[in-house]
Amino acid sequence: GENVEQHPSTLSVQEGDSAVIKCTYSDSASNYFPWYKQELGKRPQLIIDIRSNVGEKKDQRIAVTLNKTAKHFSLHITETQPEDSAVYFCAASIRGGGADGLTFGKGTHLIIQP
Amino acid sequence: NAGVTQTPKFQVLKTGQSMTLQCAQDMNHNSMYWYRQDPGMGLRLIYYSASEGTTDKGEVPNGYNVSRLNKREFSLRLESAAPSQTSVYFCASSRQVSQETQYFGPGTRLLVL
Repeated sequence: GENVEQHPSTLSVQEGDSAVIKCTYSDSASNYFPWYKQELGKRPQLIIDIRSNVGEKKDQRIAVTLNKTAKHFSLHITETQPEDSAVYFCAASIRGGGADGLTFGKGTHLIIQP
Repeated sequence: NAGVTQTPKFQVLKTGQSMTLQCAQDMNHNSMYWYRQDPGMGLRLIYYSASEGTTDKGEVPNGYNVSRLNKREFSLRLESAAPSQTSVYFCASSRQVSQETQYFGPGTRLLVL
């Protein structure tokens, strides 16, 4: 099945700086890569996603890049703010093969230092 | 429009007891999922239902059963709870099973003593 590795497990940045979280996946058939944000005690919520026919996608301060050849994708947050503090999860999805659904990375705890 | 709802919010069980976690969505989604979340492990898929009338195993199905009662409801049953099933359980739904945003419920925190 699919295996998703996520790094780093904890990331501390100064407010206003950029943060980058990286993920790799194992199954070259994976074709959908969402990112979820989970605040303490809350449910995961989608913040951005990218499909395999696109190399980059941007939404205000958040961007995701995908390198299908290397099988990795990254989340970039610019001009970080205190409300960006949370756990971020990457995921990969493959259609068919009896394993539909998302495989998640183990998460990155992003800490924004004032 | 409540989205995805789960009951109960919190439950304590003794080893060997059984219980059913309930999940409902009002977004007319076809696909529904059950995940468990453990510290440092991310979210792991237990079972999913691609559409009404179908269910399939995910990554960690042992010790669980599911029922897709109708299009709206998807329940998760623990027949004989074990301490290893102490976790936070999230239900999610999406329009279709692939390349679609999954919307999560608020979670059920389960403690098995």
